[in-house]
Amino acid sequence: DQQVKQNSPSLSVQEGRISILNCDYTNSMFDYFLWYKKYPAEGPTFLISISSIKDKNEDGRFTVFLNKSAKHLSLHIVPSQPGDSAVYFCAASGSGTSYGKLTFGQGTILTVHP
Amino acid sequence: NAGVTQTPKFQVLKTGQSMTLQCAQDMNHEYMSWYRQDPGMGLRLIHYSVGAGITDQGEVPNGYNVSRSTTEDFPLRLLSAAPSQTSVYFCANHRGRKKLFFGSGTQLSVL
Repeated sequence: DQQVKQNSPSLSVQEGRISILNCDYTNSMFDYFLWYKKYPAEGPTFLISISSIKDKNEDGRFTVFLNKSAKHLSLHIVPSQPGDSAVYFCAASGSGTSYGKLTFGQGTILTVHP
Repeated sequence: NAGVTQTPKFQVLKTGQSMTLQCAQDMNHEYMSWYRQDPGMGLRLIHYSVGAGITDQGEVPNGYNVSRSTTEDFPLRLLSAAPSQTSVYFCANHRGRKKLFFGSGTQLSVL
């Protein structure tokens, strides 16, 4: 049972345009969400996070939106740059679980074309 | 400050062999975890530790053992390797429930 789902395996956008990566979850106990970026042959690196008490969090070109009623979050990258090409994972944790027990989605491969 | 260091980077095993994947941190974080990454599956938690001497199972613990004798080290042992354990393994640490810091990974092939 996949509790965190990224239904788009890949996304291709033009440099300078907006990239929107989506993530759905089923566990209503999840209350903290994170996005990680991964380049080939490297470990994932933290990008941005959001707590369930918020519906939006911004950090430079990156904004995460959370729709709790729809159990959906999205990551917006504006403007997209070729260096943003990577695999993006969303992850979730719940207040009832121990720290470090993140549940990850399958990942979305983002390709930004010059 | 190396953060989280994993060794080896690559390993090929035969079915039935045992080995230990090493993970060391220099960040003094109390929490450490092991994940495996498989195509189409994302990252799945194998084992984690909330401090020296304390470990617990994650989502896919079968076939793996861990111990945490020090804050710095969190080795992952494969008792009898199977082809299903072919994967990329990531060790991570964190303080509290916020962002994890991942190592660069160990690519393991079991023939």
